Amino acid sequence: DVKVTQSSRYLVKRTGEKVFLECVQDMDHENMFWYRQDPGLGLRLIYFSYDVKMKEKGDIPEGYSVSREKKERFSLILESASTNQTSMYLCASSWLDRSYEQYFGPGTRLTVT
Amino acid sequence: ELKVEQNPLFLSMQEGKNYTIYCNYSTTSDRLYWYRQDPGKSLESLFVLLSNGAVKQEGRLMASLDTKARLSTLHITAAVHDLSATYFCAGNQETSGSRLTFGEGTQLTVNP
Repeated sequence: DVKVTQSSRYLVKRTGEKVFLECVQDMDHENMFWYRQDPGLGLRLIYFSYDVKMKEKGDIPEGYSVSREKKERFSLILESASTNQTSMYLCASSWLDRSYEQYFGPGTRLTVT
Repeated sequence: ELKVEQNPLFLSMQEGKNYTIYCNYSTTSDRLYWYRQDPGKSLESLFVLLSNGAVKQEGRLMASLDTKARLSTLHITAAVHDLSATYFCAGNQETSGSRLTFGEGTQLTVNP
């Protein structure tokens, strides 16, 4: 079974803090994705990566950066957290050249106060 | 740019009834995905439809894809309370590589 894990289920941070969200997958997937999910807005893609050290902006990259130093790990960084970044963050992964089916992690509910 | 629309967005139904959730998409997409999300949880893959006319069934759920009509349906047969969840469809646009575009989700509540 594919397993995608995220470093925290719940996180509370203060405005201005630097926040790291980590995602690890164990299926040797090339693709990894970061989404945020907010009520009424569905899933919005923040960043994705097709390979180590490669990254592509999604629909809402502002205020975020990412890092992919190893194939299995994709980190989302909030350089200076703000209250409007309070959200559910979902990581997903998929193979590059098969069905593109994405496998999701359990999610991190981040609250910025 | 691929756009994916689901309807209805909210569905309240009685146990034992049948219903269909519709997923329309705006441009060519040969791949369509259905996911389920329980409250407070993440997304779980239900079906992957990879060609026109594809039909897949799992228990009381059946998904189909009509690429000519740019339509996928998720049919629920004899609903039970355990099916209460939010259902998302997602499409893939060839020019976007492996990126998926998700619909807004359909929140299904099955009442006893």
